[in-house]
Amino acid sequence: GAGVSQSPSNKVTEKGKDVELRCDPISGHTALYWYRQSLGQGLEFLIYFQGNSAPDKSGLPSDRFSAERTGGSVSTLTIQRTQQEDSAVYLCASSVQAPRTVNTEAFFGQGTRLTVV
Amino acid sequence: GQQVMQIPQYQHVQEGEDFTTYCNSSTTLSNIQWYKQRPGGHPVFLIQLVKSGEVKKQKRLTFQFGEAKKNSSLHITATQTTDVGTYFCAGPGNYGQNFVFGPGTRLSVLP
Repeated sequence: GAGVSQSPSNKVTEKGKDVELRCDPISGHTALYWYRQSLGQGLEFLIYFQGNSAPDKSGLPSDRFSAERTGGSVSTLTIQRTQQEDSAVYLCASSVQAPRTVNTEAFFGQGTRLTVV
Repeated sequence: GQQVMQIPQYQHVQEGEDFTTYCNSSTTLSNIQWYKQRPGGHPVFLIQLVKSGEVKKQKRLTFQFGEAKKNSSLHITATQTTDVGTYFCAGPGNYGQNFVFGPGTRLSVLP
């Protein structure tokens, strides 16, 4: 596709339910990132996938959060037993190569706004 | 761990005034990037700086990378209402993994 696509764009769920957020990166991009942004706040790093390497999960806030990237393309972020503090915009981004590489910029999707009620 | 800080957190200016945001990293960066996020939107890449002391310009925007490659600045000359948004700096994380974003500077421009 032309850009990074995320679905759904909005998700309202009840506390305790599980949710899955999907990200379709730009074709050919080896790196994929998930960030979380609470209202009026900065970007909180969650997880990073680079090619076939083991993902960097150091930003996941708890074991209720997990993510996978199938076939080096589509990624799914799963939040189990959602809590109200999980409410935020979840942003996915992709880049051609790793950030340490010159001329590598992150392309962001529109995000999924998650509301836990 | 690596930290990227930005000041100020908020800036309100009158249209036509200049604006500057500063970014500081706790570690030396191989490169630094700047992004702009409009209200309700997602971050959009503005520029990448690589060389020590590098200065780049995009119309009314001037970006600078410090000599020690630990700090950077974004200066907007004669702000316009279209400049409203949050400006983030970002650098490669530890071992070059992921992007570490600063907390952002939110710019408001009063017409």
